[in-house]
Amino acid sequence: DAGVIQSPRHEVTEMGQEVTLRCKPISGHDYLFWYRQTMMRGLELLIYFNNNVPIDDSGMPEDRFSAKMPNASFSTLKIQPSEPRDSAVYFCASSLRGNVYGYTFGSGTRLTVV
Amino acid sequence: TQLLEQSPQFLSIQEGENLTVYCNSSSVFSSLQWYRQEPGEGPVLLVTVVTGGEVKKLKRLTFQFGDARKDSSLHITAAQPGDTGLYLCAGEETSGSRLTFGEGTQLTVNP
Repeated sequence: DAGVIQSPRHEVTEMGQEVTLRCKPISGHDYLFWYRQTMMRGLELLIYFNNNVPIDDSGMPEDRFSAKMPNASFSTLKIQPSEPRDSAVYFCASSLRGNVYGYTFGSGTRLTVV
Repeated sequence: TQLLEQSPQFLSIQEGENLTVYCNSSSVFSSLQWYRQEPGEGPVLLVTVVTGGEVKKLKRLTFQFGDARKDSSLHITAAQPGDTGLYLCAGEETSGSRLTFGEGTQLTVNP
């Protein structure tokens, strides 16, 4: 298995532009998580899905952020419009049966909004 | 959201030394995990502890879960430069499957 695949690895965009981050979880995993990591706040959970259904989006900073999981093998995190304070590393993780076997993280997308 | 505090935040030691990293909370967790993260990569799971008082060993790494399941420690014996990285503890909330992460301990082992 190739693990959790995220794209792009790096994204530089101008303030006000729309940004879409992509994630392919491990096949067979039924949970998918989106985290954001910054020096100031560490790893923060943004939203998670179980069997493609959003379960908890209380960590999504504001309405500019949205996430979808149209099928078991794909998820997107969209920011529209982007702001400089959104600059961070965004991680996608997937797991089987919740936390029984731990999370498998992707390599992350480093987002810079200028 | 239950909070996890890790200490120390930064640790720089010489190869061969021993060290302990702590993870503390005022809340009870159903399980606790330790991850290691290297630059440019996502965190990688090292161990899961579930039972209060549980001790797990992974080569030179020893993990302990507190009796009350509120705290944990990671002890590394004879640290090596390859142990360098960000060590994160993560607790599973009793109410669901989400993990809450501590802010991490950045370990540097100098040759």
